[in-house]
Amino acid sequence: DAGVIQSPRHEVTEMGQEVTLRCKPISGHNSLFWYRQTMMRGLELLIYFNNNVPIDDSGMPEDRFSAKMPNASFSTLKIQPSEPRDSAVYFCASRRDPYGYTFGSGTRLTVV
Amino acid sequence: GENVEQHPSTLSVQEGDSAVIKCTYSDSASNYFPWYKQELGKRPQLIIDIRSNVGEKKDQRIAVTLNKTAKHFSLHITETQPEDSAVYFCAAAIHQGAQKLVFGQGTRLTINP
Repeated sequence: DAGVIQSPRHEVTEMGQEVTLRCKPISGHNSLFWYRQTMMRGLELLIYFNNNVPIDDSGMPEDRFSAKMPNASFSTLKIQPSEPRDSAVYFCASRRDPYGYTFGSGTRLTVV
Repeated sequence: GENVEQHPSTLSVQEGDSAVIKCTYSDSASNYFPWYKQELGKRPQLIIDIRSNVGEKKDQRIAVTLNKTAKHFSLHITETQPEDSAVYFCAAAIHQGAQKLVFGQGTRLTINP
């Protein structure tokens, strides 16, 4: 089992550019979560999917953020346009009931 | 919605001593309480969890206790070792459907040799 796979591991981009983060959940897991981690705000849930359907996107900070899950093995989180305050580590996690979350290694995003 | 408070934010203990981290939650419907350990630059990893139908769970040097009436739960680490140094997060969720976890702010635990 390769675990939850995120790419890229690091992303440095200029303000105003589009950023796309990718996640491959563990095979057989039917829930997928996107979290953002910063020193100031800790681990914040942005959006989660159950069986590829978005269930709760109330944590998405603004319309610049969007997420998709076109199939059970792939999800993307897109920021367009990016801003310096979006700099953070973005984690994807997946789970299969009744077990706990497994996190990916994260994407460290720096917007300059 | 659920709100999880975690204390202390930093904790320093001597190697071999015990460490206790406490969390409170707001939603009485929450019934699943995991703890995650995050080493520097790494992903959060599940170390232990407890469901509301039990009051305590142990796994070697780690134990978690839950008081549903008071809506608080605690992590206990005994005989601490340098490799226990990390940031620890508590979380709470309603165990149904996708189980959305709400995390505490984290505790940075340092074990002094």
